[in-house]
Order: sequence, then C-alpha cells, then structure tokens
Amino acid sequence: GGIITQTPKFLIGQEGQKLTLKCQQNFNHDTMYWYRQDSGKGLRLIYYSITENDLQKGDLSEGYDASREKKSSFSLTVTSAQKNEMAVFLCASSPPGSQNTLYFGAGTRLSVL
Amino acid sequence: GEQVEQRPPHLSVREGDSAVITCTYTDPNSYYFFWYKQEPGASLQLLMKVFSSTEINEGQGFTVLLNKKDKRLSLNLTAAHPGDSAAYFCAVRGDTNAYKVIFGKGTHLHVLP
Repeated sequence: GGIITQTPKFLIGQEGQKLTLKCQQNFNHDTMYWYRQDSGKGLRLIYYSITENDLQKGDLSEGYDASREKKSSFSLTVTSAQKNEMAVFLCASSPPGSQNTLYFGAGTRLSVL
Repeated sequence: GEQVEQRPPHLSVREGDSAVITCTYTDPNSYYFFWYKQEPGASLQLLMKVFSSTEINEGQGFTVLLNKKDKRLSLNLTAAHPGDSAAYFCAVRGDTNAYKVIFGKGTHLHVLP
C-alpha cells in the first residue's frame, strides 16, 4: 500500500499572500492532480501532471501555479490569496491502467483572513 | 465540455431504508464512471467504478446502475445504516481526455438511527 501526504493540513493566509501547498505520494504513480473542494460545488480540477516535469491546466487554473519536479511530489501555489476565501485542496494520484481511479490525500484546508 | 449533475444535494433516511443518489452526464462519449465516499473529516475513497459495458454492479450493501441510453448513473444503498452517513460523489471520465475526471457536486447522506 501507499499513502498521499499533504502539507500543511491547515493553512491560514492573508489577502494577497502567495501560498504553497505540498503533496507527496509513495505509490510511484505517474499522474497527479490538484482539486479544489468548495461546499456545494463538488471538486474542480485545478492542475494535473501526467509525469515528472509535466503540467496541464484544469478548469480552475487561473490564480494558481503548479510544480512537478519529482515523480513523487506535486506542489500547488495560490499566487494571490483572496480575502475570505475558504476551501479544501485535495491532491490525488492515479496508477496507469486504472482508468483514472483516483487516490486522494487528506486535504489542505485554506482560510484567508 | 462534460457536465455532471448530481441529485439530491442532501438526503436523510432512517436506518434500514434505502437511499438513491443519481447523476446525469452530458457527454455521450463518457466511458468510465466512479462513485467516491467521503466520511466526515476524511478524504475521498473509491466506492466503485463501472465501465460502459457494465450496467449493474453490486457491492457490499449497495448497487450501482449505469444507463447509457439516458446518460444516468445511480447509487442505491440498500438497508442504510448510520455508518453510511457521508458525502457521496459521482465522477465521470470521458474518452477524449483520459486524464480529466469530472465530479458531481456531491450528496450529503444522513442515516438516522
């Protein structure tokens, strides 16, 4: 078995601040994802990465950057936090041949003051 | 692009009753379908995945029905118990972009003892 570790679990930021969320997986999966979960809106895809150094924009990429420098890690940067923003950011990975079955981390809960 | 509509957003049932959650999707080329369960405070876990050739799949205490003609996917929890209280999300993967999985907005199920 493997695990996806997201850090930090909770993140409090200030308006306009640049914030970085980190994700590590030891499944040795090629594909990794960042989703944003808002209450009542489900999960929306921000970025995904098919392999190391690859980056693909999802439907919600504006306002975010991502980095996949190693196969095992995928980080997400909020380029300028919005006041009163509250959401959970979920990292996931997917093994080849799984039809994109997603394995999720526990999430990072963001609050912006 | 693909759109996934999930109903109802909230559902309360008594222990022992059945609970039905339904998703409709728009892309007729959608090929892989998933149900994820998110228990309170936890991340999403795969409940079941179904493919275009599968119409009915039975799991432990639940049934998944796929109707490709109507573009409808449903999750039926038979004899729900309090441990089933969670958020449930359907997800759909099309055939054109193998990496994009679109989620429904979720259903919060509450099973009353």
